[in-house]
Amino acid sequence: QSALTQPASVSGSPGQSITISCTGTTRDVGNNNFVSWYQHLPGKAPKLMLCDVSNRPSGVSDRFSGSKSGNTASLTISGLQAEDEADYFCISHRGGSSPYVFGTGTKVTVL
Amino acid sequence: QVQLVQSGAEVKNPGASVKVSCKASGYTFTTYEMHWMRQAPGQGLQWMGIINPMNGDTMYAQELQGRVTMTRDTSTSTIYMELNNLRSEDAAVYYCARENIPRAKHFDYWGQGTLVTVSS
Repeated sequence: QSALTQPASVSGSPGQSITISCTGTTRDVGNNNFVSWYQHLPGKAPKLMLCDVSNRPSGVSDRFSGSKSGNTASLTISGLQAEDEADYFCISHRGGSSPYVFGTGTKVTVL
Repeated sequence: QVQLVQSGAEVKNPGASVKVSCKASGYTFTTYEMHWMRQAPGQGLQWMGIINPMNGDTMYAQELQGRVTMTRDTSTSTIYMELNNLRSEDAAVYYCARENIPRAKHFDYWGQGTLVTVSS
């Protein structure tokens, strides 16, 4: 199945801001606001960071923010911290018989 | 606190079946629909299907129809995913995930993953 395109890796120094893009199509990202972002550490359960493009669940730092333009959604991490080093992936709902499409994943490295 | 705890790693021969469990705790089990997803080595996640723990209704990914069965046991707050006639391409980490309500289209809690190895 087709996937949402993310950069393989993004890096930044502590305190900097980084942005991860998630590019889909008019069938998914461009069709609704059901884009969510997850942080994934190896061997651990993925953690919901943002839902509905830009909504932060309770307990998620306000250093994490989201936006969308056309077929591309973005996750921005401000004030980068060592604990942010992880894999991040996006998910978009698109309905139909295969209702979810997933990002290819981005490894965030804190220099 | 909400927890989804999955069963341990499995090693299976091609053609065999595997059954992965996901035990929920910390919330009312029947309130939230549950999904199964998998990630093969070096690949992105793939949606496998959904089960409604209240009534057991399911919907499966088209490419897995006929090979996958999702069930639930309300007495133990556990969902199960059974995949039959395993092939090498079924080797993956399998995840259960809870869909937030109401039909929120995102997953607020995930299991830790279960590695399934398919090898002769």
